[in-house]
Amino acid sequence: EDQVTQSPEALRLQEGESSSLNCSYTVSGLRGLFWYRQDPGKGPEFLFTLYSAGEEKEKERLKATLTKKESFLHITAPKPEDSATYLCAVHGSARQLTFGSGTQLTVLP
Amino acid sequence: ETGVTQTPRHLVMGMTNKKSLKCEQHLGHNAMYWYKQSAKKPLELMFVYSLEERVENNSVPSRFSPECPNSSHLFLHLHTLQPEDSALYLCASSTRDRGVGELFFGEGSRLTVL
Repeated sequence: EDQVTQSPEALRLQEGESSSLNCSYTVSGLRGLFWYRQDPGKGPEFLFTLYSAGEEKEKERLKATLTKKESFLHITAPKPEDSATYLCAVHGSARQLTFGSGTQLTVLP
Repeated sequence: ETGVTQTPRHLVMGMTNKKSLKCEQHLGHNAMYWYKQSAKKPLELMFVYSLEERVENNSVPSRFSPECPNSSHLFLHLHTLQPEDSALYLCASSTRDRGVGELFFGEGSRLTVL
């Protein structure tokens, strides 16, 4: 059974204070790891796909990395508009995605 | 219109009511999904339709009944729900070419069961 654990549950940063969100996963065969952003009252928005250990993807202040056991979402010099819940999901042995519970990020001005 | 549109955005119903949620996608995708999102819990997959055929039914109680009349529209019919069914119901779509991971979500229908 595919499993995803995200930490921390919540993170508060000052504007400009870089940090990382963690997504630990257990799958029998990883076919893809996905990051989404969800704003309050909205549906999740796709950010990145990672397929193999060592792969990295970047978008503005966000960089996603992947190892054989976990993925990190690095946020460099965050701004208040980066505040959202970030969801991690894996596609492994199951036919569909398995999501984590998310990390709620708040960036204070 | 663009993207994935869900209606209604908010719904309050009693346990004996019958209502429906509607989802429409304008992306030309050929797979559509219903997910349930409860507070502090991971997204739970409910149903998947691919080319209008149901390909996944994730042990969902029969009080939830999906319908996919064509590749652009998806419904979730609700009847005799329980208070624990109160949640955000999200519709998503994808292309079979991009696989199951790159999903485009609607803004959700917030359901409250009294």
